Amino acid sequence: QSVLTQPPSASGTPGQRVTISCSGSRFNIGINSVNWYQHLPGMAPKLLIHSNIQRPSGVPDRFSGSKSGTSASLAISGLQSEDEADYYCATWDASLKNWVFGGGTKLTVL
Amino acid sequence: EVRLVESGGGLVQPGGSLRLSCAASGFTFSTCAMAWVRQAPGKGLEWVSGISGRDGKTYYTDSVNGRFTISRDDSQNTLYLQMNSLKAEDTAVYYCAKYEDGSMGHNWGQGTLVTVSS
Repeated sequence: QSVLTQPPSASGTPGQRVTISCSGSRFNIGINSVNWYQHLPGMAPKLLIHSNIQRPSGVPDRFSGSKSGTSASLAISGLQSEDEADYYCATWDASLKNWVFGGGTKLTVL
Repeated sequence: EVRLVESGGGLVQPGGSLRLSCAASGFTFSTCAMAWVRQAPGKGLEWVSGISGRDGKTYYTDSVNGRFTISRDDSQNTLYLQMNSLKAEDTAVYYCAKYEDGSMGHNWGQGTLVTVSS
């Protein structure tokens, strides 16, 4: 059972907009910034969003993050086939004194 | 260009030990916090351990606390994870990851596979 809760799956057709949610608590998302990662099988994870809303250089602006209270979301607009991957949220948990991940969301592009 | 290269994975029997290494280049390693993150087969990402850049303070997830030790050699730009008393549930791909300004995972290595089995 992950400390952060994500839906196990999401899907969309090319060109659509999809959102992936990440729910936490006052010990983690409530007081700390959230990162989002994209992970393709056999590859290194890739940082998509840090500090809730910031995109590292090279990440397309189709990817955007938001946070409200103890929840965060990743939005992907103009969905492309290469976006098919696993997506994870993560943040620091002040109670556990650990970084914690969501369970991951498998995105399928139909 | 930031580069992180893990090594040291392999097959080990339950109760055995293994030391992972992560060779870093392309940034000022000595001032950078680093972490180990793992992914067990069919499971999600799990943060295992972290070490700060300035004071070397260490952090561990509960399941490895007391069995794993994270360390760094700033003269060699290398991060380590000493894993003792290994269990089957430690089987995973282990990644090293770089922090930036307290934010984890700005860069990742390709991972090294650890298999704990008799």
